[in-house]
Amino acid sequence: QKEVEQNSGPLSVPEGAIASLNCTYSDRGSQSFFWYRQYSGKSPELIMFIYSNGDKEDGRFTAQLNKASQYVSLLIRDSQPSDSATYLCAVKGGSYIPTFGRGTSLIVHP
Amino acid sequence: DGGITQSPKYLFRKEGQNVTLSCEQNLNHDAMYWYRQDPGQGLRLIYYSQIVNDFQKGDIAEGYSVSREKKESFPLTVTSAQKNPTAFYLCASSAIGTSSTKSWSYNEQFFGPGTRLTVL
Repeated sequence: QKEVEQNSGPLSVPEGAIASLNCTYSDRGSQSFFWYRQYSGKSPELIMFIYSNGDKEDGRFTAQLNKASQYVSLLIRDSQPSDSATYLCAVKGGSYIPTFGRGTSLIVHP
Repeated sequence: DGGITQSPKYLFRKEGQNVTLSCEQNLNHDAMYWYRQDPGQGLRLIYYSQIVNDFQKGDIAEGYSVSREKKESFPLTVTSAQKNPTAFYLCASSAIGTSSTKSWSYNEQFFGPGTRLTVL
């Protein structure tokens, strides 16, 4: 059974701080990794994907992948109240179907 | 604009009633999926399809049925056999072939806006 684990939170950070969201996965054959943001009552939207070890930056977001340790993280710099949402980690291995974690709730307070 | 549409946005079901949720995409994606999301929970896969007239059960298919008669459409029927159907239902699609720029493994899923189903 492929598993993707996330701390459910909530993770609470002050405005302007760095929010760090983590995800671990069980399948060593996993190839691609996705971070989705889901606002309450809305559908998930893709914010980052990564498939090579190391860091990938896009604006205030940085995805970090460490395949040897089987974890992927998402850093949000200069966190804003509008970043308050649930962040879902999704992992794909040999199948085109991703496995989703349960998500981490992030609260950015002014 | 390309995208995925779901209807209705809100749906109410009476006991013993079958209801059908609509999902349409114009992204020319081969694969389509149905997920169920309960409060505070992640996404659980109900059914998926990678080609017209073919679909497979996901992790929680009992009490649900689907059809894939057209590439663009993947409706989900919640039958009376589903005893606890109140949830948020999400339809998604993705490409599964390779492109000139990336392998199939990197193809992300795109989600529709969702249908919130409530049992009366």
